[in-house]
Amino acid sequence: DGGITQSPKYLFRKEGQNVTLSCEQNLNHDAMYWYRQDPGQGLRLIYYSQIVNDFQKGDIAEGYSVSREKKESFPLTVTSAQKNPTAFYLCATRGVWGSGNTIYFGEGSWLTVV
Amino acid sequence: GQNIDQPTEMTATEGAIVQINCTYQTSGFNGLFWYQQHAGEAPTFLSYNVLDGLEEKGRFSSFLSRSKGYSYLLLKELQMKDSASYLCAVRDQSLTGGGNKLTFGTGTQLKVEL
Repeated sequence: DGGITQSPKYLFRKEGQNVTLSCEQNLNHDAMYWYRQDPGQGLRLIYYSQIVNDFQKGDIAEGYSVSREKKESFPLTVTSAQKNPTAFYLCATRGVWGSGNTIYFGEGSWLTVV
Repeated sequence: GQNIDQPTEMTATEGAIVQINCTYQTSGFNGLFWYQQHAGEAPTFLSYNVLDGLEEKGRFSSFLSRSKGYSYLLLKELQMKDSASYLCAVRDQSLTGGGNKLTFGTGTQLKVEL
């Protein structure tokens, strides 16, 4: 099946720990994004990447890091510097220009600090 | 920056029609999206408008007026399963990154009642 796969679905982190959320896609899409959603809130952009080996900070990048070594993969690391990481994290992709402007989301990962 | 406003909550009756409004302010408008999000799930794409006018897709329609910075999502023949949050999102071409960034509103929680 084609699509966007996020893992794990649920993750618990102790304070002071770094954790990495995985996002893999087999849609051959160039652009990939990470959004954060807090309860009852809209989505806020953390990082995005338009092409392999390139990425840009979004609106709330502090305390997060990403890499884009392969087209298919865009992992997000939530570092200990992120003081309030409990949230729903969504990975998304968008195809090349001309094939549609739609952004599609993975199923999301719930991160809880314990 | 961008500013996107939509009502926080709406209630409607099964079988009725409901209109969810979205107003936005942006310097380099390059498209408006509507997504549906059920509680605890990822957003799913509903519609995309880049030119003025109405786009119809079955029970769902979306309208855009670029001069007014205004869009609405129209849901007809409401069903209980339409109870969800509806997110308005705007793409801004003036932003760094060539317009690949979507900014989301906080969403409108729609409750469909019998």
